[in-house]
Amino acid sequence: GDSVTQMEGPVTLSEEAFLTINCTYTATGYPSLFWYVQYPGEGLQLLLKATKADDKGSNKGFEATYRKETTSFHLEKGSVQVSDSAVYFCALSLYPPISNDYKLSFGAGTTVTVRA
Amino acid sequence: DADVTQTPRNRITKTGKRIMLECSQTKGHDRMYWYRQDPGLGLRLIYYSFDVKDINKGEISDGYSVSRQAQAKFSLSLESAIPNQTALYFCATGNPGSYNEQFFGPGTRLTVL
Repeated sequence: GDSVTQMEGPVTLSEEAFLTINCTYTATGYPSLFWYVQYPGEGLQLLLKATKADDKGSNKGFEATYRKETTSFHLEKGSVQVSDSAVYFCALSLYPPISNDYKLSFGAGTTVTVRA
Repeated sequence: DADVTQTPRNRITKTGKRIMLECSQTKGHDRMYWYRQDPGLGLRLIYYSFDVKDINKGEISDGYSVSRQAQAKFSLSLESAIPNQTALYFCATGNPGSYNEQFFGPGTRLTVL
């Protein structure tokens, strides 16, 4: 079945450091890929998405490129801020005829803490 | 105002009690979902609904039931709560026109003693 594997945390960085969170997936067909972010005490928010191979999603300085050949969707940010401290989830969604539930399949989440 | 709201935000209950978690949305989406979040496991799908007459089980539906009272309302019930149902519960709506982007409520933290 479809699944998402992302790097284990927690990750602790200093402000202005470079952040990478690895995400790989297993799926039949061509899923859409997402990164969601969960700030402390809040629900999940969509950070970025990509819907086909070689697409690059970007938002708030974060980027991720849909790599079909390596089945990956790694999240990167060049210079993190304290306000980027959160839990980051990689997720995928499949569509008919492969899947009729339109659910999101999530990775386990990576906790990122940025120190001033 | 938030587009997806959940009540209560926190609940502590005892084993064997019946609990209902409520979700309302103003996004106008037909698709609604209930997920459960456990540390190290990400989010897992409990139930989903594509309209008032359509209810479907997700991957971990045992011990849960749902009700879709209206397009905007989707409730999750634990008929007889047990301690391993202690978790963070999220309601979400799905936008079919945007590659299934989903919009999440703030979550309900449930503790079963």
